[in-house]
Amino acid sequence: NAGVTQTPKFQVLKTGQSMTLQCAQDMNHNSMYWYRQDPGMGLRLIYYSASEGTTDKGEVPNGYNVSRLNKREFSLRLESAAPSQTSVYFCASSPRGRDNQPQHFGDGTRLSIL
Amino acid sequence: GNSVTQMEGPVTLSEEAFLTINCTYTATGYPSLFWYVQYPGEGLQLLLKATKADDKGSNKGFEATYRKETTSFHLEKGSVQVSDSAVYFCALRETSGSRLTFGEGTQLTVNP
Repeated sequence: NAGVTQTPKFQVLKTGQSMTLQCAQDMNHNSMYWYRQDPGMGLRLIYYSASEGTTDKGEVPNGYNVSRLNKREFSLRLESAAPSQTSVYFCASSPRGRDNQPQHFGDGTRLSIL
Repeated sequence: GNSVTQMEGPVTLSEEAFLTINCTYTATGYPSLFWYVQYPGEGLQLLLKATKADDKGSNKGFEATYRKETTSFHLEKGSVQVSDSAVYFCALRETSGSRLTFGEGTQLTVNP
């Protein structure tokens, strides 16, 4: 059972470089999410996609873009990486909305920007 | 807006000690409440949940009761084990959507 798969697991970038973080889920979930985790701040929502073909900003969207490529895949792009974007990034998925089903998380991408 | 506040950590306990991690929330309507656990190097896993007032979520010896009058969802376990060492996150989901709001996380270390 793969669940939510994120690639890569680790990455080091230089300031100004671009990169796309990949996420795929095999649970036929409608909704997908990108979070960043920083010490003492919990997880903060960057972008989410309630269903295929839609995306919306979360709490901290600046400096990021997303693409919901199809129902399975939801990618996060950093166009011009900055040291403030050094973080651990988590992708998650869930069935649609109001049925109280939990979000399922990937193992994270640890991103360092020098 | 919605917010979740957890007790400050880190928390260090001896094996078989009693655990309480406090969580309070601010939200409109009737949110669902969750505890997630993150083991080292892994993503978050759902530990337990409660969807309405006075519900008690339980799993793996952990319990939490949804207290609307005190807007709290404290996590408890009667006897912790070394394997419970992890970061614990309290979270809420708003009534009409799927977005989660997380607390800051509490690092728990259990020593033998």
